[in-house]
Amino acid sequence: EPEVTQTPSHQVTQMGQEVILRCVPISNHLYFYWYRQILGQKVEFLVSFYNNEISEKSEIFDDQFSVERPDGSNFTLKIRSTKLEDSAMYFCASYAGVGEQYFGPGTRLTVT
Amino acid sequence: GNSVTQMEGPVTLSEEAFLTINCTYTATGYPSLFWYVQYPGEGLQLLLKATKADDKGSNKGFEATYRKETTSFHLEKGSVQVSDSAVYFCALSLPYQGGSEKLVFGKGTKLTVNP
Repeated sequence: EPEVTQTPSHQVTQMGQEVILRCVPISNHLYFYWYRQILGQKVEFLVSFYNNEISEKSEIFDDQFSVERPDGSNFTLKIRSTKLEDSAMYFCASYAGVGEQYFGPGTRLTVT
Repeated sequence: GNSVTQMEGPVTLSEEAFLTINCTYTATGYPSLFWYVQYPGEGLQLLLKATKADDKGSNKGFEATYRKETTSFHLEKGSVQVSDSAVYFCALSLPYQGGSEKLVFGKGTKLTVNP
């Protein structure tokens, strides 16, 4: 069964540092998403990506965040200058346009 | 705005007990409704879904019925097993003009089933 993969599973970084979270979506899917879950809180939508551009983003997704699909397979989320409040589990999802969104196992980001 | 409210956890049951996890929603349009499950150390997996009023989604013994009149999508299972221990998320999606069917999630309910 096809699956979404994410790396790393856990990333520890210092405040102010840049991090890149990586995802490999399912190969024939068209829509890609990032969500995050701060510990004990709900899963929140960050951004959706379609046809090589952002199709929707939330208020959380400010100028510190960016996404790209550099090589047609990887889908990355970059946080330019991390803050303590960016500590969360980040989930990537991909979607064919019909059916369901498929989620990766998540990357736990810890900002110290 | 669009939102999902689900029963706060944690929920602890004995094996073979009946499970209900309540979920209600607020939506500006006509949403599709989902239950996702997250087993320990894994990602979110779709458990079941319903796309219109009175639809019943079902999978692995779990059921939920889309109730438009009460804006609810409660998850039920008649006899839980230890292997059902997980976190359950209720979610909705709405069509977006640009084609992004983002999911709006509830907070999640942690279920522990004891033998």
